Amino acid sequence: RKEVEQDPGPFNVPEGATVAFNCTYSNSASQSFFWYRQDCRKEPKLLMSVYSSGNEDGRFTAQLNRASQYISLLIRDSKLSDSATYLCVVNRATGRRALTFGSGTRLQVQP
Amino acid sequence: DAGVIQSPRHEVTEMGQEVTLRCKPISGHDYLFWYRQTMMRGLELLIYFNNNVPIDDSGMPEDRFSAKMPNASFSTLKIQPSEPRDSAVYFCASSRQGVKTGELFFGEGSRLTVL
Repeated sequence: RKEVEQDPGPFNVPEGATVAFNCTYSNSASQSFFWYRQDCRKEPKLLMSVYSSGNEDGRFTAQLNRASQYISLLIRDSKLSDSATYLCVVNRATGRRALTFGSGTRLQVQP
Repeated sequence: DAGVIQSPRHEVTEMGQEVTLRCKPISGHDYLFWYRQTMMRGLELLIYFNNNVPIDDSGMPEDRFSAKMPNASFSTLKIQPSEPRDSAVYFCASSRQGVKTGELFFGEGSRLTVL
């Protein structure tokens, strides 16, 4: 089983729609969580951290459910420029001190 | 400030040839990571360094892969001999506090094709 699993999509949504992605992680010792964004043929970039209490950054809301071991990303009022692949990322509390990336969920916002 | 700089951006080579990928991290960053990205396996960590010392190389696929960081501003990833299954985008990333903040700064990647 992969350490971080995501639905690859693609999610095709119209402009202005609300879309949500989930991601599950297998290691209960995972300590911190993030969402990265990767545009086509570009490098990944940090989008936002995910806090236990949930957090919001403009149109983006991230939530963590430790009991069920999943994190989510909600995008409201989708823009064409939101089209990208969204990578779920976890950091273990022990062992390898590096970020483990999910394979990503592709979002295509259509006019 | 300049970001992470990788070279070459693209490399096409034949099976059996040696490949060397280069990375210059952001000045002042003391962690450097090498990742590989393929459609099938996503982003995989190969190795990372802290203060030029390799900390975890358990992601290096096999002995054909080696990485060095001779100083704080330069790292190489070498594949010898290369095989078609090594075809991927290789990313170098750096950070100032390891993964505490979750923010790694990635280079633009080196796209490798092994024929």
